[in-house]
Amino acid sequence: GAVVSQHPSRVICKSGTSVKIECRSLDFQATTMFWYRQFPKQSLMLMATSNEGSKATYEQGVEKDKFLINHASLTLSTLTVTSAHPEDSSFYICSARPGAVVEGYTFGSGTRLTVV
Amino acid sequence: QQQVKQSPQSLIVQKGGISIINCAYENTAFDYFPWYQQFPGKGPALLIAIRPDVSEKKEGRFTISFNKSAKQFSLHIMDSQPGDSATYFCAATAHPGNQFYFGTGTSLTVIP
Repeated sequence: GAVVSQHPSRVICKSGTSVKIECRSLDFQATTMFWYRQFPKQSLMLMATSNEGSKATYEQGVEKDKFLINHASLTLSTLTVTSAHPEDSSFYICSARPGAVVEGYTFGSGTRLTVV
Repeated sequence: QQQVKQSPQSLIVQKGGISIINCAYENTAFDYFPWYQQFPGKGPALLIAIRPDVSEKKEGRFTISFNKSAKQFSLHIMDSQPGDSATYFCAATAHPGNQFYFGTGTSLTVIP
């Protein structure tokens, strides 16, 4: 089945630094990838939709200058948290689907970001 | 506005019992309703999903019941096991946008 690999699984960074999270589709090409944020014991909140070769579409309230998304190839999307602060600490999850079939929608394993 | 409402927030079930989680939606354009299972520190994994043209789908111990007129769907876990202890999310989406709207999650604990 479709596999989405997310890296790193955990990262700790100092306040003010930037962190990059990678999301790769291993056995399929993904023209669209989605980035979610999840707070402890809460649901997934869609942050942005990443489209290969074009600018990402951000959800209302998500700072596009803080959460930079790049989808440079059909198998890789990256989320960069710039000038991270403790309130950015969260669980970030990407997802993608092969083709137009919604049934193939697959999530990555998530990245636990801790900003100290 | 919460597009998909999920209940209960938490559930404790005895081993061998039936776990039932309910979801409701308003948008009649939704045409795909998956359930995801998430373990701590992991991403959600698809458990089972249903389309609105059927009222029930069963896969092993997991069953989705779908009531289109009531705009409700539920997950039934038969013969619940301790290994089923996880957080379960219902979701809904409307093709072709494919943005998924998630419920608030249910933390299931199965007691041995």
